[in-house]
Amino acid sequence: EIVLTQSPGTLSLSPGERATLSCRASQTVSSDYLAWYQQKPGQAPRLLIYGASSRATGIPDRFSGSGSGTDFTLTISRLEPEDLAVYFCQQYARSPRTFGQGTKVEIK
Amino acid sequence: EVQLVESGGGVVRPGGSLRLSCAASGSTFADHGMSWVRQVPGKGLEWVSGITWSGDSTDYADSVKGRFTISRDNAKKSLYLQMNSLRAEDTALYYCARGFNYGPFADWGQGTLVTVSS
Repeated sequence: EIVLTQSPGTLSLSPGERATLSCRASQTVSSDYLAWYQQKPGQAPRLLIYGASSRATGIPDRFSGSGSGTDFTLTISRLEPEDLAVYFCQQYARSPRTFGQGTKVEIK
Repeated sequence: EVQLVESGGGVVRPGGSLRLSCAASGSTFADHGMSWVRQVPGKGLEWVSGITWSGDSTDYADSVKGRFTISRDNAKKSLYLQMNSLRAEDTALYYCARGFNYGPFADWGQGTLVTVSS
């Protein structure tokens, strides 16, 4: 099983600041089958990024993904108040499809 | 995009059974693999099971293997999860999601809550 470890656990930033979220895999994620999801309070998760760096339909360009192999990053270039959420990474290269434990982004 | 609506959750005693359903709207349901993902409220996400677009291949998390069965009816645009021998640790919000083999989970329903308690 590929274990995904996200850091930090919580990120507290002001609007307009840059947020950098990390996802580290215990094994290489082949073909960069790595996705990022946003889950706002009381809502279902929403796909943000797939293939490590491709934005899903309708996702603002302030969200970007990068990385390969075992180290991946989600960057929110300029935080907006509505970005308050928990962000999960997920690998879909190998069974079981595993998720990271999440990073909570708080807005100061 | 596919809209997904789950149903069938509820309270069940340990050892009991429950069948979840997921109704899809949109013309592309039959083109996609589908999955069930669960989440204990306030906790992380756990992939439970997935099925290919045709239904000819399925996969399960070890935690539910042998107890849960995933199936689909493309004519009815529906996904199912038969859950048997339920345990307290199966208590969670269950989401259906579009995606399975080598694909992200692009669309999600709002979830249906399963509570296993005596």
